[in-house]
Amino acid sequence: QKEVEQNSGPLSVPEGAIASLNCTYSDRGSQSFFWYRQYSGKSPELIMFIYSNGDKEDGRFTAQLNKASQYVSLLIRDSQPSDSATYLCAGGYSSASKIIFGSGTRLSIRP
Amino acid sequence: DAGITQSPRHKVTETGTPVTLRCHQTENHRYMYWYRQDPGHGLRLIHYSYGVKDTDKGEVSDGYSVSRSKTEDFLLTLESATSSQTSVYFCAISVGRETYNEQFFGPGTRLTVL
Repeated sequence: QKEVEQNSGPLSVPEGAIASLNCTYSDRGSQSFFWYRQYSGKSPELIMFIYSNGDKEDGRFTAQLNKASQYVSLLIRDSQPSDSATYLCAGGYSSASKIIFGSGTRLSIRP
Repeated sequence: DAGITQSPRHKVTETGTPVTLRCHQTENHRYMYWYRQDPGHGLRLIHYSYGVKDTDKGEVSDGYSVSRSKTEDFLLTLESATSSQTSVYFCAISVGRETYNEQFFGPGTRLTVL
């Protein structure tokens, strides 16, 4: 059974600080990993993907992947109130282009 | 929104009635997916399609069927709706780089079964 685990939160972070979101996965066959942001009542929006060990940066967002520890994280620097949302971690498998989602972490940025 | 539309956006129906949800894409992507999202469960795959008339089951396929007669349309049918199928349904497409599998989502359909 392929699983992706996330802490459901809520995670509360002061405005301007770094928010750190974490995710673990059970299947070493996972080849790519994704972070989606979902605002209440809206559809998930892809914000980052990573497939190599190490860090990948895009603006205020950094995704980190450690395949040996089966661990994925998302850092959000200079957190803004607009970053308040649920963040979904997902792991991808090349067969049938399927991805497995975690249940999401709710992030709240407090002014 | 990757050119994906879903219809209807909201539907209320009664137990035992058939319901069909439609997903339409404008960019000719091969892979299409139906998910349901419920509190505490994240997104769970119902069915997916890898081409016209080519479909397969996901992890929560019981009570659902799908059809894809054209590349652009992927239909999800609840043959006899039950209250446990009250959920938000999302359609998604994969943009073709199979190793990376990025998926993009439609706006969702909120279905209530009374």
